[in-house]
Formats: sequence, C-alpha cells, structure tokens
Amino acid sequence: QSALTQPRSVSGSPGQSVTISCTGTNSDVGTYNYVSWYQQHPGKGPKLIIYDVSKRPSGVPDRFSGSKSGNTASLTISGLQAEDEADYYCCSSAGNFYVFGTGTNVTVL
Amino acid sequence: EVQLVESGGGLVQPGGSLRLSCAASGFTLSNYWIHWARQAPGKGLAWVSRINYGGTYVSYADSVNGRFTISRDNAKNTVFLQMSNLRAEDTAVYYCTTLDSFVGYWGQGALVTVSS
Repeated sequence: QSALTQPRSVSGSPGQSVTISCTGTNSDVGTYNYVSWYQQHPGKGPKLIIYDVSKRPSGVPDRFSGSKSGNTASLTISGLQAEDEADYYCCSSAGNFYVFGTGTNVTVL
Repeated sequence: EVQLVESGGGLVQPGGSLRLSCAASGFTLSNYWIHWARQAPGKGLAWVSRINYGGTYVSYADSVNGRFTISRDNAKNTVFLQMSNLRAEDTAVYYCTTLDSFVGYWGQGALVTVSS
C-alpha cells in the first residue's frame, strides 16, 4: 500500500494553468476509474474537487479538471487564482483499500 | 445543514484504546460508504478504513489492520472507529468522510495523540 507519487510543489502566476501529476501502478490508478482530488488550505479539512477521474462536485469551479492516462492521473487548474494556493492530494481505489498521493503544494506567484 | 462531526479524540498512552464516533446530521448516513482518513502533524493524508452501507463489508489499511475496527449504527446515523494497541505513529487528526462520493462530506477532524 504505497502512496501515489505527486510532485512536492508546483507554482504559477495568476491566470496561468498548472498541472499536478499523480502516478500510481496498474493495481490502483491504472485499473480503477475511482481517482479523486482534494484541496486543503492550511489548518482546514480537505475538500473534494474531482471524483471518478474527471467529474466535478456541485459548486466546484470548472477551472478544475481531471484526467487519467495509464497509471497517471492529472489535475489541471486553469486560470489560476490566489485562493487556489493550497495543498492538493489525489486518491485512488486499489480494490480492497484506497491510497492517497503524497501531496502537492500549489503556490500562486 | 449537512454535517459530519467526529468525537472521542484525546491523549492516550501507547498500547491504549480509544473509540472515535462520527455523527451525521442533515443527511442519511446509511446512503453512503463511510471512510476514515488521518493526517499526522505536518504530514499528508492517509486512508485508514471504510465500511459499506449496511456494515457488512469493511476494509483496512495494512498499518491498522488487526488493531482498528470500523462499525456503524445506521439507526443512530453514526459510524465508529475502535482503535486498540495504539502506537506513537497513530498520532494524527482523524477524519470521517464520504471520500470519493460526489457529495464530498468531511468532518472537522478529531485529534488523537498517543504519548506517555
């Protein structure tokens, strides 16, 4: 049950796009379309922003989009805004259990 | 208002036990699989356990398997996490959540500190 691999940090200027990768194996990301993404601001609880690889819950801006290719899932934030500065975690089903990613800190320059 | 509220956290000695509760309000808990996730101080999220709608299927992370037990009482709209033989590395904020269900409900978290 190894954590999914994410870059430690990414950054971008307001209005730019950033993409966060989430690399797993063919036992989790590569097999299951149950990849989700969470945003966490400092001192706050996580917030679901993408589920089932690419679906957005009600109320989540369409600036957030998700995709998957092989064993790697990706989260793209388009039109980066100051409030997007936070930690982001991916999560995938692995059959009998789930596994989170290592987390990525997004900085808005 | 939709809420998940964890309770039961606190300070416990290594080898001790603690039971966390997760009470739902504003929605019917029995309509969802419920997960527990945790976050050690300054660290990332880690999945702990899950339980299906009726409580007939459960699963655990290897790190807690055999020490933690998840259960639910749908009549009370509550899910529980019984934690035994606690270790220092179990120190974390514990969240109950619908995780990857489209509703995305998370509790505020309960701090569990394992220390002598």
